Amino acid sequence: GQSLEQPSEVTAVEGAIVQINCTYQTSGFYGLSWYQQHDGGAPTFLSYNALDGLEETGRFSSFLSRSDSYGYLLLQELQMKDSASYFCAVRHYNFNKFYFGSGTKLNVKP
Amino acid sequence: SQTIHQWPATLVQPVGSPLSLECTVEGTSNPNLYWYRQAAGRGLQLLFYSVGIGQISSEVPQNLSASRPQDRQFILSSKKLLLSDSGFYLCAFGTLGDTEAFFGQGTRLTVV
Repeated sequence: GQSLEQPSEVTAVEGAIVQINCTYQTSGFYGLSWYQQHDGGAPTFLSYNALDGLEETGRFSSFLSRSDSYGYLLLQELQMKDSASYFCAVRHYNFNKFYFGSGTKLNVKP
Repeated sequence: SQTIHQWPATLVQPVGSPLSLECTVEGTSNPNLYWYRQAAGRGLQLLFYSVGIGQISSEVPQNLSASRPQDRQFILSSKKLLLSDSGFYLCAFGTLGDTEAFFGQGTRLTVV
């Protein structure tokens, strides 16, 4: 089976840095992705890690440690528009399936 | 460019009525197709996935079924809806080797 754990809610102030952690237990692990979802909208892709280390894309960075079954999403210079839910997702090697965590609601305050 | 269309956006159905949600993909061939359900304030649960026409795999036992009559068409159905079928249904696609899933705008289903 697949199991992903992430905090349910995080609050931070505008301009700050926030880290959202994700731990997973899965068979057939191929990579870890991060998605952003605004209320009522569809999830949109942010980043993907297949190998250990840090991937940087603008203000967002994502980290993976395969040996620890752990990853995180780092958001820098927070903006009000970053208020959304963030999901980690395991990419399974079998048929390229994606299993999602329960999501972390990020509240950015002025 | 690759796009995905899903409809309707919202749907209110009585308990015991049938359901048909449709999803189509453009700009790619032989995509992997997925149906997810999201309960209010919760994560995305993978319901079905398909790697080709007529090939459907179910992830969880439930009151729903899926079909893929054409390469880029994916349909989610139910013969008799339950209250517990309420939720936000999302269709997605990915191509082999893709590192991301592309989502439709979703259908918010309320069973009353």
